[in-house]
Amino acid sequence: QVQLQESGPRLVKPSETLSLTCTVSGGSISGHYWSWIRQPPGKGLEWIGYVFYSGNTYYNPSLKGRAGLLVDSSRSQFSLRLYSVTAADTAFYYCARHFTATMFDHWGQGILVTVS
Amino acid sequence: DIQLTQSPSSLSASVGDRVTITCRASEDINNYVNWYQQKPGKAPKLLIYEASNMETGIPSRFSGGASGTDFTFTISTLQPEDVGTYYCQQYRNLPITFGQGTRLEIK
Repeated sequence: QVQLQESGPRLVKPSETLSLTCTVSGGSISGHYWSWIRQPPGKGLEWIGYVFYSGNTYYNPSLKGRAGLLVDSSRSQFSLRLYSVTAADTAFYYCARHFTATMFDHWGQGILVTVS
Repeated sequence: DIQLTQSPSSLSASVGDRVTITCRASEDINNYVNWYQQKPGKAPKLLIYEASNMETGIPSRFSGGASGTDFTFTISTLQPEDVGTYYCQQYRNLPITFGQGTRLEIK
């Protein structure tokens, strides 16, 4: 059974960089797309973007170029960098397997990151 | 971006009721819509993919349908454990977008 686990700092200062890692277990990173999705407390879901196992990426234009996604297949990890954060970036951040770039079929438990 | 508008935003129903949620797309999305359930404090869970296909292990009381740019999610017989928020999601065009969610409560 594929499992995903987010990790990283839970508190980030304004204007600094939010850095999160998702560790994948029970399955291979190869052949799949991997996404980050965020959810401000009490609000809806926003897709941040995906990284393919080969390293190809797509970012939601709503992030205005502030996001960076990387994959490290040797460690079964992929990561998110969000630059120049503000309070509006406070959210639960979820990593997810983006099966064939269509559906999100496996999710991490989520991590709350507060910008303050 | 493709906009998804869910209705209602919230609803309260009794155990055993039939519940239907609608998701309207701002343009044709070719049935490229998925449905998720999110329970409080948990990550979303995939229930229905490509408008009407049930994910493995999902109870048969959940179903999805489509008519043009309108998509429906139905719970045939509401159970207490179905409390949560339901989201539609489209993958016809990037960026992927979600509906704003429908919060389901038990009367």
